[in-house]
Amino acid sequence: RKEVEQDPGPFNVPEGATVAFNCTYSNSASQSFFWYRQDCRKEPKLLMSVYSSGNEDGRFTAQLNRASQYISLLIRDSKLSDSATYLCVVRVSGGYNKLIFGAGTRLAVHP
Amino acid sequence: DAMVIQNPRYQVTQFGKPVTLSCSQTLNHNVMYWYQQKSSQAPKLLFHYYDKDFNNEADTPDNFQSRRPNTSFCFLDIRSPGLGDAAMYLCATSTNSGLEKLFFGSGTQLSVL
Repeated sequence: RKEVEQDPGPFNVPEGATVAFNCTYSNSASQSFFWYRQDCRKEPKLLMSVYSSGNEDGRFTAQLNRASQYISLLIRDSKLSDSATYLCVVRVSGGYNKLIFGAGTRLAVHP
Repeated sequence: DAMVIQNPRYQVTQFGKPVTLSCSQTLNHNVMYWYQQKSSQAPKLLFHYYDKDFNNEADTPDNFQSRRPNTSFCFLDIRSPGLGDAAMYLCATSTNSGLEKLFFGSGTQLSVL
């Protein structure tokens, strides 16, 4: 079983739509959680951290459910520029800042 | 201004011919990482340095080696590249304080002919 699992998509949505991505992780000792965005043939970039109480950054909302080992990302009012792959990332315990990436969910926003 | 710099952006090598990828950083971060990412797959951690302390992932092939001569530079050496080693290689840095994010370079796309 993969340590971080995501639906690969693609999710094809019209501009203005609301779309949600889910992610599950297997290591119950995971400590920190993030969503990264990766454009085609580019490096991943941090989109937002995910906090236990849930957090929002503009049109983006992240939720964490530790009991179910589940993370979500909600994008409201999708823009064409949101088209990218969204990587779920988990920091595992063990001292160093070791991050484990999911394979990502691809989002395509169309006019 | 680029803070984590990888060179070259594209690298072509021949099957079995050693190749070195380089990474430099201006952030003075003490942790540096090398990830391998194949098409439509997750970035996979190969190894990382905490200062000069080298940490190899258990499933990283022996064909992959790394050097970190100083804080700013880190190299990935592939001793005998195979066709299966064609991938994007991503260098990243971080401090080691819990919730710190990774700062990635723009990656080197390696092709093996």
